[in-house]
Amino acid sequence: DTEVTQTPKHLVMGMTNKKSLKCEQHMGHRAMYWYKQKAKKPPELMFVYSYEKLSINESVPSRFSPECPNSSLLNLHLHALQPEDSALYLCASSLLGLFQETQYFGPGTRLLVL
Amino acid sequence: AQKITQTQPGMFVQEKEAVTLDCTYDTSDQSYGLFWYKQPSSGEMIFLIYQGSYDEQNATEGRYSLNFQKARKSANLVISASQLGDSAMYFCAMREGRYGGATNKLIFGTGTLLAVQP
Repeated sequence: DTEVTQTPKHLVMGMTNKKSLKCEQHMGHRAMYWYKQKAKKPPELMFVYSYEKLSINESVPSRFSPECPNSSLLNLHLHALQPEDSALYLCASSLLGLFQETQYFGPGTRLLVL
Repeated sequence: AQKITQTQPGMFVQEKEAVTLDCTYDTSDQSYGLFWYKQPSSGEMIFLIYQGSYDEQNATEGRYSLNFQKARKSANLVISASQLGDSAMYFCAMREGRYGGATNKLIFGTGTLLAVQP
């Protein structure tokens, strides 16, 4: 089973709201990722967690706050977002260490910031 | 810097025909991995196929094959017997290497939008 689940599928929020995106995998993967994808563009890496520790932060604004409570769960906390943050947010997971370790993606959360 | 180039923004193919999606890459590393993903309009990125830089044979997965030409730094995806469900965006990606090992970063190309016509 190569399933990564994400909730919610769609989210509309105002610029003053606080919301969270959730991601879950049960493949025993120890690396988890958040990507942001604008329409007709490739995904852009935001954060990487390795063994539940933040290993890569691609200079993402602090209004995005990732959290990895355990090896199966990954959250992205959103606060005071801007309309330009509207995008598809993809979660992925993989094993670590080797070039052939594939990143498996979830279905994404489509976020609209009003 | 490592880079992936997909020069075909869009492609059309007739159902049941074969189609080749182009991908070239640029890296100074000897070790790297190349991936193809399919993204339908629903949004999910679906892993299709992987090719390692030291793999001597071209990778195949069902109707998908990867035409790997290392000297030319190309990794083209070939889809045989196209189906209507193959209509999607296709991304080529490279696993970045560092000091002979793999990092956790994937570098994506800009994608090719494939439309399969009945």
